[in-house]
Amino acid sequence: KQEVTQIPAALSVPEGENLVLNCSFTDSAIYNLQWFRQDPGKGLTSLLLIQSSQREQTSGRLNASLDKSSGRSTLYIAASQPGDSATYLCAPSGNTPLVFGKGTRLSVIA
Amino acid sequence: DTEVTQTPKHLVMGMTNKKSLKCEQHMGHRAMYWYKQKAKKPPELMFVYSYEKLSINESVPSRFSPECPNSSLLNLHLHALQPEDSALYLCASSQGGPNTEAFFGQGTRLTVV
Repeated sequence: KQEVTQIPAALSVPEGENLVLNCSFTDSAIYNLQWFRQDPGKGLTSLLLIQSSQREQTSGRLNASLDKSSGRSTLYIAASQPGDSATYLCAPSGNTPLVFGKGTRLSVIA
Repeated sequence: DTEVTQTPKHLVMGMTNKKSLKCEQHMGHRAMYWYKQKAKKPPELMFVYSYEKLSINESVPSRFSPECPNSSLLNLHLHALQPEDSALYLCASSQGGPNTEAFFGQGTRLTVV
């Protein structure tokens, strides 16, 4: 059964900092991995999808990497802004689609 | 358009009530999902429909009954729920197949009293 761990559980940074969120998963037999953002009480917004054959994917200030063999993904956020404050969730998909970690709760302080 | 629409946004129901949650997408996606999310917990998969057929049921109690009347619509019928079923219910869709991106709706906040 896939298990997903996200570190740190919470992070508070001043505006403008670059930061890295970590995701690890136990079953490397995945098709892809998605990163999502969730604002309190809201649904999930897809940020990036990395296919299992890819090592990196970029969208604006976000860059996600995937090392499938070691069961790790990172989300890099450049020049953080207060509007980035949210919970970030990673979810690998294999035989079971989208198994979620508990997320990293990010606060960016102005 | 990457929109998945869920109705209602909020629902309060008694333990003897019958209600339904609705999810709609017009992206031509052929896979649709129900997830349940308790407060401060990650979403947990409940059901997956692929090409309008139930393909995954994650051992969900029978008081939750999914239905996929057509490729754009997904319902979750609720009956005789318990207070511990109170949660945010999220619907998602994807094009189908294992390599496709999933898009989520804003969820229905369900409270069982």
